[in-house]
Amino acid sequence: QKEVEQNSGPLSVPEGAIASLNCTYSDRGSQSFFWYRQYSGKSPELIMFIYSNGDKEDGRFTAQLNKASQYVSLLIRDSQPSDSATYLCAPASGGSYIPTFGRGTSLIVHP
Amino acid sequence: DARVTQTPRHKVTEMGQEVTMRCQPILGHNTVFWYRQTMMQGLELLAYFRNRAPLDDSGMPKDRFSAEMPDATLATLKIQPSEPRDSAVYFCASKVRGAVVEAFFGQGTRLTVV
Repeated sequence: QKEVEQNSGPLSVPEGAIASLNCTYSDRGSQSFFWYRQYSGKSPELIMFIYSNGDKEDGRFTAQLNKASQYVSLLIRDSQPSDSATYLCAPASGGSYIPTFGRGTSLIVHP
Repeated sequence: DARVTQTPRHKVTEMGQEVTMRCQPILGHNTVFWYRQTMMQGLELLAYFRNRAPLDDSGMPKDRFSAEMPDATLATLKIQPSEPRDSAVYFCASKVRGAVVEAFFGQGTRLTVV
């Protein structure tokens, strides 16, 4: 069993809606998390890093971390077709903040 | 334009052949990762290096895979002998150690073993 679990989707939302992507993790020692975005045929790119309980906002993106529930999520407001991609949740392991990824959730934003 | 460079971008080889994939990390980055991505397993960490020293290769099949950093500008991942189940996209990523958290990924090498 992977350390991180994500629903593979696809999650389909209409343009302008809020997309909610969820991730649960098994290691209670995990302190910080990445959200990477990967377009089809491309490499992953970092969109959010969160290490404190609560919310972190960056533009249309909000990451939420609940360490007690071992749950991390990513909200995308005003979803655009250009947000269609796979979103990868990854605990940051060790002092080098090594991303160890889940399988990712495919998001489709339809016009 | 600082970026991680991987070669080749695509490789088709026959089962049993040796495959070598190369990665040039971003200049000044001292931590280098190798990942493998498949539909079934997702993105798996195979190995990583810090200051050219291998720190963890527990994700890598030891009998056929090997990873090295001959110098600070080159990381290699070799498979010998290759098998069809090794078909995947192999990504290299690099970062600066410490408080800077972002790892930058190369474009990947798509390997097909027939």
